[in-house]
Amino acid sequence: QSALTQPASVSGSPGQSITISCTGTSSDVGGYNYVSWYQQHPGKAPKLMIYDVSNRPSGVSNRFSGSKSGNTASLTISGLQAEDEADYYCSSYTSSSTPVFGGGTKLTVL
Amino acid sequence: QITLKESGPTLVKPTQTLTLTCTFSGFSLSTSGVGVGWIRQPPGKALEWLALIYWNDDKRYSPSLKSRLTITKDTSKNQVVLTMTNMDPVDTATYYCAHSPPSGIAAAGPFDYWGQGTLVTVSS
Repeated sequence: QSALTQPASVSGSPGQSITISCTGTSSDVGGYNYVSWYQQHPGKAPKLMIYDVSNRPSGVSNRFSGSKSGNTASLTISGLQAEDEADYYCSSYTSSSTPVFGGGTKLTVL
Repeated sequence: QITLKESGPTLVKPTQTLTLTCTFSGFSLSTSGVGVGWIRQPPGKALEWLALIYWNDDKRYSPSLKSRLTITKDTSKNQVVLTMTNMDPVDTATYYCAHSPPSGIAAAGPFDYWGQGTLVTVSS
């Protein structure tokens, strides 16, 4: 199974909204509503931000939202804040009955 | 409060077998639907999922590493063990264990709690 495709980097100014895409195939992202998103600050463990495409765990800001269209899932961060600067990874369930991660996206807050 | 912690060697030689232990608290691996997974991250690179084990001993492995991995659990000790054979310098990475809550399909659930990770270096 191949890693899901994410842009290497995205950037935005404080207060703006940004969207990170996660592209797979009909055998993973497109075939199931089991996409998760993780935030990882340098030297830290990943943190779950979105699960099952669009659900937020308790304690995660409602500035984070997830969606999916066809084989592409998206993470949108609104009202960008300096603390949002981090690496973001998507993950999806696959037809191999295993999960797969994306290549990661570095978010820079200008 | 769910916590997980990885332990094991920090340095292994090429061709050796790596054994990592994940010791957890705040949940039981005998609870229906619960799983524990292993994920690794080479320095400066992306996350890579390795293996999962569930409450009912259902086990899943990364297709690309399946021949080298074994995951087991000791419910009484609240531990999950991952072994990886024939280690190579490319296996140098931070290895994480993580909790997976019950989901509609096994292996579809997210990883909602993570350990701090342990850096394993493969070098002679």
